[in-house]
Amino acid sequence: DVKVTQSSRYLVKRTGEKVFLECVQDMDHENMFWYRQDPGLGLRLIYFSYDVKMKEKGDIPEGYSVSREKKERFSLILESASTNQTSMYLCASSLQGFYGYTFGSGTRLTVV
Amino acid sequence: EDKVVQSPLSLVVHEGDTVTLNCSYEVTNFRSLLWYKQEKKAPTFLFMLTSSGIEKKSGRLSSILDKKELSSILNITATQTGDSAIYLCAVGGMNRDDKIIFGKGTRLHILP
Repeated sequence: DVKVTQSSRYLVKRTGEKVFLECVQDMDHENMFWYRQDPGLGLRLIYFSYDVKMKEKGDIPEGYSVSREKKERFSLILESASTNQTSMYLCASSLQGFYGYTFGSGTRLTVV
Repeated sequence: EDKVVQSPLSLVVHEGDTVTLNCSYEVTNFRSLLWYKQEKKAPTFLFMLTSSGIEKKSGRLSSILDKKELSSILNITATQTGDSAIYLCAVGGMNRDDKIIFGKGTRLHILP
């Protein structure tokens, strides 16, 4: 089974800190995605990547950046964390977008 | 603008009841519709429906795609408390670069 691993389940950071969320997949998937999930808003796409060193903005990229130096790893970076970035962050990977995703377990980030 | 709408947003039923969750979509270049179940962490894949596979069944869960009405239903019969979860509907496009678009989910709670 494909596995998508997110480095932290729970994270508490202070306003203004630089935050790194790591995601690693072990099935050689080309596509990787970062979402945030908030009550009443559902899943919203932050950034995605279809190849190494390639990144594209999703629907809500402001305040975030990403890095994909290796195929299996996709990192989400909060340059200066703010309280409105408190959320559940989900990473996903897929062989091809329309075949569906495999999700990581999520990182619940609280910014205080 | 592409969109996926799920209804109801939340539902509370008693164990043993049958429930029907709805998903309607407006997307260009439809390829597939996917259902996910999300309990406390990552969404897990349930079904994928395409033009060549408009009905799927697994145990007490079944799903039908209506391409004419641009909608899908997810049925759960003889519900159990373990069915309590958020159920997500997502739609994928035809092209490699097409993102998967998620609905906001239906939160289902099964009372014992």
